[in-house]
Amino acid sequence: GENVEQHPSTLSVQEGDSAVIKCTYSDSASNYFPWYKQELGKRPQLIIDIRSNVGEKKDQRIAVTLNKTAKHFSLHITETQPEDSAVYFCAAPRGGSYIPTFGRGTSLIVHP
Amino acid sequence: SAVISQKPSRDICQRGTSLTIQCQVDSQVTMMFWYRQQPGQSLTLIATANQGSEATYESGFVIDKFPISRPNLTFSTLTVSNMSPEDSSIYLCSAATSGTSNEQFFGPGTRLTVL
Repeated sequence: GENVEQHPSTLSVQEGDSAVIKCTYSDSASNYFPWYKQELGKRPQLIIDIRSNVGEKKDQRIAVTLNKTAKHFSLHITETQPEDSAVYFCAAPRGGSYIPTFGRGTSLIVHP
Repeated sequence: SAVISQKPSRDICQRGTSLTIQCQVDSQVTMMFWYRQQPGQSLTLIATANQGSEATYESGFVIDKFPISRPNLTFSTLTVSNMSPEDSSIYLCSAATSGTSNEQFFGPGTRLTVL
């Protein structure tokens, strides 16, 4: 099965700084890598995703990079704002399926 | 996209009883899943709800404890049976449509407390 490791577990930054969260996966057949944001008491919501045929994807202040050779992908948030404070989960599907395995989550705290 | 609702949003139950959680999607979806999330923890997949057939359970979860139904492409239920305080958690329903997008949509969750 797929094993997804996520680091760090907690990340504290000042408003305006950048934040980077990293995930590694084990199944070389995995081909879809989403990132979810979960605000306190709310449901997880997809914020960005990347497929294995792309190395990088950006959406305004958020970007995801993928290194298939090393089996890791990262979430980059630039110019962080207090409303970015949340728990972020990475995920990778079990090879050949649509069933994701989630990382343990990163609690991002952005201090005003 | 898909909008998912769950009922109840929260409940407090006595040990030994059972609770059924309902999940309704506003459009037909290929896949529906049930997750458990302990406070401050990640999402743990309980099972994949299969339309018209028995659910597929993850290691550590069994049908007798967590019976699941999925009578059609927009609705599923999860029952937590013979509850104990260890079952206290948030239970999340999610849905996805296979094809070009693998995006999963989540319900708001059901917060269960077992006394």
